Amino acid sequence: GAGVSQSPRYKVAKRGQDVALRCDPISGHVSLFWYQQALGQGPEFLTYFQNEAQLDKSGLPSDRFFAERPEGSVSTLKIQRTQKEDSAVYLCASSLAGHKVGYTFGSGTRLTVV
Amino acid sequence: AQTVTQSQPEMSVQEAETVTLSCTYDTSESDYYLFWYKQPPSRQMILVIRQEAYKQQNATENRFSVNFQKAAKSFSLKISDSQLGDAAMYFCACTNTGNQFYFGTGTSLTVIP
Repeated sequence: GAGVSQSPRYKVAKRGQDVALRCDPISGHVSLFWYQQALGQGPEFLTYFQNEAQLDKSGLPSDRFFAERPEGSVSTLKIQRTQKEDSAVYLCASSLAGHKVGYTFGSGTRLTVV
Repeated sequence: AQTVTQSQPEMSVQEAETVTLSCTYDTSESDYYLFWYKQPPSRQMILVIRQEAYKQQNATENRFSVNFQKAAKSFSLKISDSQLGDAAMYFCACTNTGNQFYFGTGTSLTVIP
């Protein structure tokens, strides 16, 4: 596609509920990244894929967070047993040429846990 | 690890005037890249300008330019001839490996008509 597409745009979850956030990167982009942006803060790294391989998941805050990209294109970020502190905007980004030219970001999913 | 500091939570500028947003960073790496991203209310992060640390020449992109002071680890963004559409959050970011960007806390820019 023309840009990075994320869905849903907004998600309200009850505490304890599982959620799945989807990212469709730009076609052909090898690298895919997930970031978490808390209110009033800058984005913080969660995880990184190169094709289907998850090369870095050091930013995932707990084992409740899980990301996958099984066919090297669409990625899903899953959060199990959501907690209020998980409320944030989750941004997905993809890149063809890596960090040297920067990422292309999606518009994010705003997750609110009530 | 790298850290990025933006000390100006909010800035304002008159339309058509010039404004400078500050950013300092800390890294032990010798090879790294610096970026400014713009985030409007739509939430999409839009790349404004990038700078390779090994290049001494300051990057420019139309009305946007940077003042890169490597020794001082400073990377400020200058917006000339400010337009209403420039109003947004601006984030400074640093990366060396490209696997992970480190972002500052952002500066909210208001453009006054």
